[in-house]
Amino acid sequence: VQLLESGGGLVQPGGSLRLSCAASGFSFSTYAMSWVRQAPGRGLEWVSTISGSGGTTYYPDSVKGRFTISRDKSQNTLYLQINSLRAEDTAVYYCAKNPTSLWTQYNWFDPWGQGTLVTVSS
Amino acid sequence: EIVLTQSPATLSLSPGERATLSCRASQSVSSYLAWYQQKPGQAPRLLMYDASNRATGIPARFSGSGSGTDFTLTISSLEPEDFAVYYCQQRSTFGQGTKLEIK
Repeated sequence: VQLLESGGGLVQPGGSLRLSCAASGFSFSTYAMSWVRQAPGRGLEWVSTISGSGGTTYYPDSVKGRFTISRDKSQNTLYLQINSLRAEDTAVYYCAKNPTSLWTQYNWFDPWGQGTLVTVSS
Repeated sequence: EIVLTQSPATLSLSPGERATLSCRASQSVSSYLAWYQQKPGQAPRLLMYDASNRATGIPARFSGSGSGTDFTLTISSLEPEDFAVYYCQQRSTFGQGTKLEIK
């Protein structure tokens, strides 16, 4: 199982960015997938999950309306569209695989990609 | 929303010693708790899931226990590579982390 993120970079406040996560080594459509971020020197923060089918998405209130998670089963790729970027969005963004197709209490993140750094600054 | 509180914030021990890390939930989470290890510059790695199940490839010196609101991650005899930051997690919530450092 391998996850490889890309798409990070330096963006001005108010800008947009789309992160990608290429998945391999498992049946991509069978599992929910998530994004978790980590600001410099800080802890881990969950920012979105999408069900295995792609039909259901989940976000914390802190990013709802600005972040959009999606998946392309034909490309085995997970995406995170981030709009209206703020300085506090500066972080390493990790994609991770969930253990089932749904977002439930029975949940953990394994494995994780290596992360992609998003820096929001003028 | 569930809050996870980890203690201590920092734990200073020597190789060969036993480490005990705590995670307390603000309400019962049954056994739905995971633990991760993160080393500098690396992604987190799953250690335990469902409170007491070791993830694939995790050495037997790591063990997890607890249910309800109180959970423990124990490292029976510290190896040099075990010094890292450890996080607990339940669904969408992570604890703030415990830094395990060399004394």
